[in-house]
Formats: sequence, structure tokens, C-alpha cells
Amino acid sequence: GNSVTQMEGPVTLSEEAFLTINCTYTATGYPSLFWYVQYPGEGLQLLLKATKADDKGSNKGFEATYRKETTSFHLEKGSVQVSDSAVYFCALRPLSGAGSYQLTFGKGTKLSVIP
Amino acid sequence: KAGVTQTPRYLIKTRGQQVTLSCSPISGHRSVSWYQQTPGQGLQFLFEYFSETQRNKGNFPGRFSGRQFSNSRSEMNVSTLELGDSALYLCASSLYSGSHNEQFFGPGTRLTVL
Repeated sequence: GNSVTQMEGPVTLSEEAFLTINCTYTATGYPSLFWYVQYPGEGLQLLLKATKADDKGSNKGFEATYRKETTSFHLEKGSVQVSDSAVYFCALRPLSGAGSYQLTFGKGTKLSVIP
Repeated sequence: KAGVTQTPRYLIKTRGQQVTLSCSPISGHRSVSWYQQTPGQGLQFLFEYFSETQRNKGNFPGRFSGRQFSNSRSEMNVSTLELGDSALYLCASSLYSGSHNEQFFGPGTRLTVL
């Protein structure tokens, strides 16, 4: 079946530090890949996405590259801010077949950025 | 353009009761999906509705049901509540059903079962 594994948190960084949150996936075919962010007390917001191998999704300084050979979609940001403190979810959605109607999420990684 | 709205935002019920949650999608969106978020199980898909029809259903017991109205608004119902049903219930809407359609999430309804 489809599954997403992301690094366990929490992750605590100082402001302006470099961020990497690892995400690997298992899926049949070539799914679309997503990173969502959830701020305290809110729902999920799409942060970035990639729909095919070698695509790079980017938004608000965050980037992730779709690596088919390593089945990975790691999230990176060069300089985090306190306002980036949130829970980050990696997710996939197959283009067709079983599971294509739903997002499959990782467990989430809580990021805390301290001044 | 208004986002996805969910009501109520918070709900407290006792075991054995039933509950109905409501979701209003973004105007023009015809697909509504529901997810359950718990600390232990994470985010799990409940079901998807499109044009008033349930298109897909996740692995949840029959106590969980839903429906969609002609204006695309959706409700989900949980009967005979159990302590384990305490969760954040998220609704997501998209223009159409299918993997190419981006899902936009609402703020969720926090259900606490005592």
C-alpha cells in the first residue's frame, strides 16, 4: 500500500538555522508529493508540491525535490524564522488506482524555532 | 474568496451520544473529503463526496457516515460515540474529484468525547 515516513520530532532550531525534514514514501506508480503545514489551532495549508520526478516545489523559502531514485521528498529551508514554528506533514497522492482519491500523510514533524 | 468553513469549531460530547459536523466548501468546489486527526494515528481519510455521492470511504466503522447536499455542503455524523473518537476532524474541498485537484483544508472541528 501507500505510506509516508517522515522524521520524528520535535525539532528545535535557533532562528536563521538551516532546516531539513526528511520524508520518504512507498507507493505504486508515481504519486504527487506534498508538504502541508499546520499552525497551532488551524487546519492544514499546502506549503508546496511536486507532481513528477526531479520536480522542485518551492514556497516561502521552503523547497523540496521529488527524488524517484531514493523515493524521497525532503523539506529544506535555508534560514528559519520564529514564525515557521508549526507541524509539517509530508503527503502523497497517487495519480491513479488504489488510494488516488485520498492524501496519505506522514505522522508530522513539529518544528520549534527559538529566537 | 472565503475558505473552507467548519462548524462548530469545538464540541464536547459523552460516550454513546451522536454528533453531526458541518463543512462548507469553497464556492464552486464540488468535492468534499473528511479526515480524522489524532495524536496516535495521525491523519486518516474518512470519506469523499462528489456531486452528492460518496465516492470513496476509508477504513472506519459504520458509525461514521456522511452526506453532501446539492449546494456541496457536507455533514458527517458519528453515532454511539466512543472515547477514541476524540479527534480533530478536518474537511477539505476541491473543484472536482481526482488526484489532480488540490485540496483546501478547513480549520477543523475539535471533538472531545467524555
